[in-house]
Amino acid sequence: RKEVEQDPGPFNVPEGATVAFNCTYSNSASQSFFWYRQDCRKEPKLLMSVYSSGNEDGRFTAQLNRASQYISLLIRDSKLSDSATYLCVVNLRNTGFQKLVFGTGTRLLVSP
Amino acid sequence: DARVTQTPRHKVTEMGQEVTMRCQPILGHNTVFWYRQTMMQGLELLAYFRNRAPLDDSGMPKDRFSAEMPDATLATLKIQPSEPRDSAVYFCASGLDAGFLTDTQYFGPGTRLTVL
Repeated sequence: RKEVEQDPGPFNVPEGATVAFNCTYSNSASQSFFWYRQDCRKEPKLLMSVYSSGNEDGRFTAQLNRASQYISLLIRDSKLSDSATYLCVVNLRNTGFQKLVFGTGTRLLVSP
Repeated sequence: DARVTQTPRHKVTEMGQEVTMRCQPILGHNTVFWYRQTMMQGLELLAYFRNRAPLDDSGMPKDRFSAEMPDATLATLKIQPSEPRDSAVYFCASGLDAGFLTDTQYFGPGTRLTVL
């Protein structure tokens, strides 16, 4: 079983739609969580951190459910520019150093 | 706007040749990571340095891959000899490990390697 699992998609949605991605992780020792965004043929970039209480950044809302070991990302009012691959990331911090484990990503295509 | 830089951006080589990829982390960052990305496996951690010391290279094939940080401004990843299965995009990332779990990693643009 992979440490971080995501639906690869693609999710095809029209502009203005609301779309949600989920991600599950297997290591209960995972201590912090992130969503990264990766555009085609570009490097990953941090989109937002994910906190237990849930957090919102504009049109983006991230949630963490530790009991069920899943993370979600909700995008409201989708824009064409949101088309990208969204990577779910967990931080395993043990033996004094951190290790980010990346999911393989969920691809989002927003169409006019 | 500080960025991680990587060279070369693209490399095409023949099987058996040596490949060296270079990375300049963001000034002041104390951690450097090398990742490999393929369609099938996604992003895999190859090596991790903190304060120039290698902390974790368990993801790296030891027989042909080596990673070093000769100084704080340069990290290298070397493949010798290269094989077609090494074809991938290799990303370098740097960060400031201040002991917080929300430490962010900043990625370079990647080196797209093709081994024929």
